[in-house]
Amino acid sequence: GNSVTQMEGPVTLSEEAFLTINCTYTATGYPSLFWYVQYPGEGLQLLLKATKADDKGSNKGFEATYRKETTSFHLEKGSVQVSDSAVYFCALYNQGGKLIFGQGTELSVKP
Amino acid sequence: GAVVSQHPSWVICKSGTSVKIECRSLDFQATTMFWYRQFPKQSLMLMATSNEGSKATYEQGVEKDKFLINHASLTLSTLTVTSAHPEDSSFYICSARLPGLAVPYEQYFGPGTRLTVT
Repeated sequence: GNSVTQMEGPVTLSEEAFLTINCTYTATGYPSLFWYVQYPGEGLQLLLKATKADDKGSNKGFEATYRKETTSFHLEKGSVQVSDSAVYFCALYNQGGKLIFGQGTELSVKP
Repeated sequence: GAVVSQHPSWVICKSGTSVKIECRSLDFQATTMFWYRQFPKQSLMLMATSNEGSKATYEQGVEKDKFLINHASLTLSTLTVTSAHPEDSSFYICSARLPGLAVPYEQYFGPGTRLTVT
C-alpha cells in the first residue's frame, strides 16, 4: 500500500542553521509529493510540491527534490528562522485520489 | 483565494451528546471535501470523502453511523459526531478540493476544530 515515513521530531535548531527533514515513501506508480506546514493554532498550508521524478519544489527558501531512485522527498532549508517553527508534513497523492500523510515532524528554532 | 473555514474552532461537550462541525469553502465551490482526524503528535487520518449531493465515502474502520457527514451545498459540509464519548476527543480537520480535473490533488485545509468530550 501507499505510505509516507518522516524522521521523528522534535527537531531543535538555532537560527540560521541548516535544516533537513527526511521523508521516504512507498507507492505504486508515480505519485505527486507534497510538503505541508502547520503553524501553531492554524490549519495545514501547502509549502511545496513536485509532480514527477527529478522535479524540485521550492517556496519560502525551502526545497525538496523528487528522487524516484531512493523514493525520497527530503525537505531542506539553508538558514532557518524562528518563524519557521511549525510542524511539517510530507504527503503523497495516490492513484485513488487521496492524500496520504506522514506523521509530521515538529521543528523548533531558537534565537 | 481558496480559503476554507471551520466552525467552531473548539468545542467541549458532555459524553452522550452530539456535536456538529461545519466546513465552508469561502471563495470557491467545492464538489469534494474531506474530513480528517488528527491525534496529538500524529498524522492526519482520512475519515471520509464528502461529495456534494451524494453520500459520503468512509474509510475502513470509521463508523458511518457515528460520524455523520452531510454535503448539502457546494460550499458547506458538516460532520456530526453522534453520542460522543471521551475517545472521540480529537482535532478534526476538513479540506476542500478545487473543482475540475487539472489539479486533482490540490486541497485547501481548514484551521481545524478541537473537540473535547467530558
